[in-house]
Amino acid sequence: AQTVTQSQPEMSVQEAETVTLSCTYDTSESDYYLFWYKQPPSRQMILVIRQEAYKQQNATENRFSVNFQKAAKSFSLKISDSQLGDAAMYFCAYRSASGDDKIIFGKGTRLHILP
Amino acid sequence: DARVTQTPRHKVTEMGQEVTMRCQPILGHNTVFWYRQTMMQGLELLAYFRNRAPLDDSGMPKDRFSAEMPDATLATLKIQPSEPRDSAVYFCASGSTGKTYNEQFFGPGTRLTVL
Repeated sequence: AQTVTQSQPEMSVQEAETVTLSCTYDTSESDYYLFWYKQPPSRQMILVIRQEAYKQQNATENRFSVNFQKAAKSFSLKISDSQLGDAAMYFCAYRSASGDDKIIFGKGTRLHILP
Repeated sequence: DARVTQTPRHKVTEMGQEVTMRCQPILGHNTVFWYRQTMMQGLELLAYFRNRAPLDDSGMPKDRFSAEMPDATLATLKIQPSEPRDSAVYFCASGSTGKTYNEQFFGPGTRLTVL
């Protein structure tokens, strides 16, 4: 069974600085999708960024980018120029490309932004 | 701006009462998921539907929980009888198997408190 591990329960970063959130996953599949979701204090789950496993180019969305290392099964999220609004719980997630609709979520990393 | 809607947003009830939570998936989406989020357990998948058919409800306590999709625009999650341990935030999410990533879009959640 696939698993997603986020080893950092909490992190802090100074406003305007860059922070990287770690995520590793375990799978025997070669084709899959990876996601980062953000959950701010409002509790709304928001999709931040997504990546297809067979695409070598790392996905970017404005200040958010990923470092996808397929061989290492690592999918870290980098937030540049951190803003107060980035304070949230961040969830890494995995979905098989085999036809399973379910997404497997990690336990989350709570990110604090220090003014 | 298409989004998943959930009602009610907040519910306070007494132990033993029936609770019904409703979800309207994004128009055109054919998968619907029910999650429960607590501090202790994190995000748990309770049940999911594809094309209105229940595909997996293994995460749901069968004796008191039930999930249905009366039609493509409505999904319901019922708890009868409710217990204090059911206090949590319940999320509905929808997705489309016709899309490459088939990512899930979340509703704002129902915060349930059982006294």
